[in-house]
Amino acid sequence: EAQVTQNPRYLITVTGKKLTVTCSQNMNHEYMSWYRQDPGLGLRQIYYSMNVEVTDKGDVPEGYKVSRKEKRNFPLILESPSPNQTSLYFCASSLSRMNEQFFGPGTRLTVL
Amino acid sequence: RKEVEQDPGPFNVPEGATVAFNCTYSNSASQSFFWYRQDCRKEPKLLMSVYSSGNEDGRFTAQLNRASQYISLLIRDSKLSDSATYLCVVNNNNDMRFGAGTRLTVKP
Repeated sequence: EAQVTQNPRYLITVTGKKLTVTCSQNMNHEYMSWYRQDPGLGLRQIYYSMNVEVTDKGDVPEGYKVSRKEKRNFPLILESPSPNQTSLYFCASSLSRMNEQFFGPGTRLTVL
Repeated sequence: RKEVEQDPGPFNVPEGATVAFNCTYSNSASQSFFWYRQDCRKEPKLLMSVYSSGNEDGRFTAQLNRASQYISLLIRDSKLSDSATYLCVVNNNNDMRFGAGTRLTVKP
């Protein structure tokens, strides 16, 4: 089954404790992206990747890192999480930047 | 001004009603357009792409007006299962922009 998976689905952590949210897709998509969704603000792009070893900042990259060592995986790293990073995070993939995106199920993160 | 704007709603309509959503965008260079559906606490899923000539998929019709820079979504004969948030997505060569969504509740 073609899908995008994310783990964990739910996470409660404390300020400053490094965490990684994994994202994996099995559709051989080149383009992958991370978004955060906050009430009233819609989906905002954090980082995206056009292909392996090619990543770039989106609209709200501060406090986040990503890597793309393999085509299928695109982890999101929060080196020192803060409460303003409490949000719902979605990973997405697509054939290219212009095509429809397929979303993972989301990760609800709470930073205390 | 936001790059993509939608009426947040909520739209509360009875079953069988016809409802229309509009979405305006500011970047005239935008090239592709989509409507996504998002159920509560779930991921967005593609509802339909929006083509220049307009397109229909069952009870759903999408239209694009490049001159006025808006896209629309029409839902006919609404069902209870249509209750969701509808996201407008506008794409140019550099960015994919999401609207904040329009919430629809269809009531019996």
